[in-house]
Amino acid sequence: KNEVEQSPQNLTAQEGEFITINCSYSVGISALHWLQQHPGGGIVSLFMLSSGKKKHGRLIATINIQEKHSSLHITASHPRDSAVYICAVKGNTPLVFGKGTRLSVIA
Amino acid sequence: NAGVTQTPKFRILKIGQSMTLQCAQDMNHNYMYWYRQDPGMGLKLIYYSVGAGITDKGEVPNGYNVSRSTTEDFPLRLELAAPSQTSVYFCASSLAGINEQFFGPGTRLTVL
Repeated sequence: KNEVEQSPQNLTAQEGEFITINCSYSVGISALHWLQQHPGGGIVSLFMLSSGKKKHGRLIATINIQEKHSSLHITASHPRDSAVYICAVKGNTPLVFGKGTRLSVIA
Repeated sequence: NAGVTQTPKFRILKIGQSMTLQCAQDMNHNYMYWYRQDPGMGLKLIYYSVGAGITDKGEVPNGYNVSRSTTEDFPLRLELAAPSQTSVYFCASSLAGINEQFFGPGTRLTVL
């Protein structure tokens, strides 16, 4: 079974800071997902990637297949980015999820 | 499109009671999933379905049952509720196994 580790578990940042959240996994995968869980509980998919880099607005996701590692970057962070960010990996089994990184951005 | 809908939003059950959590999607997705989320833990897969009439166990299926008679609906049945089933339950759907998943708003269940 794939083990998914996220770091840090908790992160507090000042508005405007550049933020990086890391995800490592133990077994080769076909795709990696980044999700956002809002304070109200709703979960939305941010990215799905299997190689390279994807960008959407101020969010950038990268993956290094050889190193079994992915990062989620947030540029010019804003209080509305405060949420739990979840990494999930897809191999031969259904998605395996990390425990999430709780981000608080302070104005 | 409503996306993925779940009912109820909240429920309190007594030990030993049964209930069904409803999930429906209007995106014509083949794959549907039930997850539970416990505090401080990652989402755990309970059951999933790859199409009408086909279901399979996930990581934590004990105490639950599912059925998939239509593409749209994927109800989760709890038999003989136990305090260990206190959790937030999310239903999700995707077009195929490798595609992004769309999540419902969740059902917060407490078993006392």
